[in-house]
Amino acid sequence: DTEVTQTPKHLVMGMTNKKSLKCEQHMGHRAMYWYKQKAKKPPELMFVYSYEKLSINESVPSRFSPECPNSSLLNLHLHALQPEDSALYLCASSPTGDGYTFGSGTRLTVV
Amino acid sequence: KQEVTQIPAALSVPEGENLVLNCSFTDSAIYNLQWFRQDPGKGLTSLLLIQSSQREQTSGRLNASLDKSSGRSTLYIAASQPGDSATYLCAVKSWGNTPLVFGKGTRLSVIA
Repeated sequence: DTEVTQTPKHLVMGMTNKKSLKCEQHMGHRAMYWYKQKAKKPPELMFVYSYEKLSINESVPSRFSPECPNSSLLNLHLHALQPEDSALYLCASSPTGDGYTFGSGTRLTVV
Repeated sequence: KQEVTQIPAALSVPEGENLVLNCSFTDSAIYNLQWFRQDPGKGLTSLLLIQSSQREQTSGRLNASLDKSSGRSTLYIAASQPGDSATYLCAVKSWGNTPLVFGKGTRLSVIA
């Protein structure tokens, strides 16, 4: 298995909702990442987990909460989001920095 | 701080042409460089990964070169096809616990 699987592919949520994005990989990669991408912009790093511990947090608002239950799973919990948080959320994994594999993304719309 | 620049920002070519996409980076002390393809609204697909010790990598009609001393990489696409239309992103990984740094991408259109 050489893929990063993200679910759901599309999500529409209200500003008072709580939802979660999920990411899974079975390549044995020990680093996993969350990125946010707005239209016609490059991906922006949000969080890095290395060996299941948060190692980089690029000053993301607390309404985004990452969780890494084990080395294959990465979640992003969403609460009280704003319309400007609407974007494509990408998960990626790497064998600690040596070539990244990205998932197909979750298209999030906050209404 | 590493900065990555991609030129041109957009490119439109007729089908069958060979083309070159450019990527430059400011800090030559890189670990590796990766080229990605992104279709609209989709995830990133890795095309080629070049380690700092390598000069080039090839996959099918794609060839990527790396010149660390000048801080440059090129992606060469031979015999372009309409299916090659996408945004191409260059990303640089430096040594240590540093994040991947992306260029802003080149949006390619191949016209049939």
